[in-house]
Amino acid sequence: RKEVEQDPGPFNVPEGATVAFNCTYSNSASQSFFWYRQDCRKEPKLLMSVYSSGNEDGRFTAQLNRASQYISLLIRDSKLSDSATYLCVVNWKKAGGSYIPTFGRGTSLIVHP
Amino acid sequence: DTGVSQNPRHKITKRGQNVTFRCDPISEHNRLYWYRQTLGQGPEFLTYFQNEAQLEKSRLLSDRFSAERPKGSFSTLEIQRTEQGDSAMYLCASSLGLGGNTEAFFGQGTRLTVV
Repeated sequence: RKEVEQDPGPFNVPEGATVAFNCTYSNSASQSFFWYRQDCRKEPKLLMSVYSSGNEDGRFTAQLNRASQYISLLIRDSKLSDSATYLCVVNWKKAGGSYIPTFGRGTSLIVHP
Repeated sequence: DTGVSQNPRHKITKRGQNVTFRCDPISEHNRLYWYRQTLGQGPEFLTYFQNEAQLEKSRLLSDRFSAERPKGSFSTLEIQRTEQGDSAMYLCASSLGLGGNTEAFFGQGTRLTVV
């Protein structure tokens, strides 16, 4: 089983739609959680951190359920510019005690006119 | 530009040759990570440095791969006797702090093509 699992998609949605991505992780000792965005042939860039209480940044809402080891990202009022791959990232505690950002394979979003 | 810098951006090499990539992290960041990414996959962890100490290595890191961070600043990743399967984007990231609550910032990557 992969450490961080995501549905690869693609999710193909019209402008203005609401879309949700999910992610599950297998290490209960994981400490922090993030969503990154990656455009084609570019590096990943931090979109937002994810907190247990849930957090919002404009049209983006992230949720964390530690008991279920589940993370979500909701995008409201999708824009064409939201088209990208969204990577779920978990800071994974290794046996040696170091925390390593561990990535899912990413979920592809395509927003069309 | 004070972000993470990687050189070269692109490298084409013949199978069997050695290649070396460089990463300059954000200056105050004590943590440095190397990842490999292939098409349709997320970045896969290769190795981690805290300051100059290499604290974690993935099982993906075969004995043909070696990484260094001699003074706790820039890092190099060397691949010896390259194989076609080494073709990928090699990403470097850095972060600041202790514990597990810090986010990583990525460089633009080095795209390796082995022919």
